[in-house]
Amino acid sequence: AQSVSQHNHHVILSEAASLELGCNYSYGGTVNLFWYVQYPGQHLQLLLKYFSGDPLVKGIKGFEAEFIKSKFSFNLRKPSVQWSDTAEYFCAVNARGGSQGNLIFGKGTKLSVKP
Amino acid sequence: AAGVIQSPRHLIKEKRETATLKCYPIPRHDTVYWYQQGPGQDPQFLISFYEKMQSDKGSIPDRFSAQQFSDYHSELNMSSLELGDSALYFCASSRDRGRPDTQYFGPGTRLTVL
Repeated sequence: AQSVSQHNHHVILSEAASLELGCNYSYGGTVNLFWYVQYPGQHLQLLLKYFSGDPLVKGIKGFEAEFIKSKFSFNLRKPSVQWSDTAEYFCAVNARGGSQGNLIFGKGTKLSVKP
Repeated sequence: AAGVIQSPRHLIKEKRETATLKCYPIPRHDTVYWYQQGPGQDPQFLISFYEKMQSDKGSIPDRFSAQQFSDYHSELNMSSLELGDSALYFCASSRDRGRPDTQYFGPGTRLTVL
């Protein structure tokens, strides 16, 4: 069965610290990969996505992610976090090229940034 | 830029009542997805429509039904509501053209069942 695993449930960092959130997926075919962010009380916003090509993708707000096919991973990184990055981060996948586009989400990682 | 619109934003119902949630996709988007997010949970896929036809079904209870209309808006109808249906319901739209593309989420409808 398809699944997405996010390693950290809650991460607490101080401002200016570097961030890396882990995401691994299990899927039998080729996938599209996404990171969404959900600020408190708000909806899911797309941070970045990978469909094909350069495995290092850059998103909004200084975030980037690297797709490592051999490890089935798509880790999210940011070199220096800000208090405003406090939010919940979801990794998600769907099947590339198929007719079923529904996203499968990880359980999410809550990021708390201390000012 | 236009975003996905959902209404109502908040809804309070009693057990066994019915509820209808509406979703207006981004213009020219042909696909609508519905997700349910329980408290502290990740979003779970319910159902999707492509070009007004149901394209996939997830963990949607039989008490729920949905459709996509000719103007591409979608409605999720929920009957015999249970306490466990209390959740945030998101609609997402994309321009799949038959192949999954990026989904953009609406603000959600927070349903509380008392």
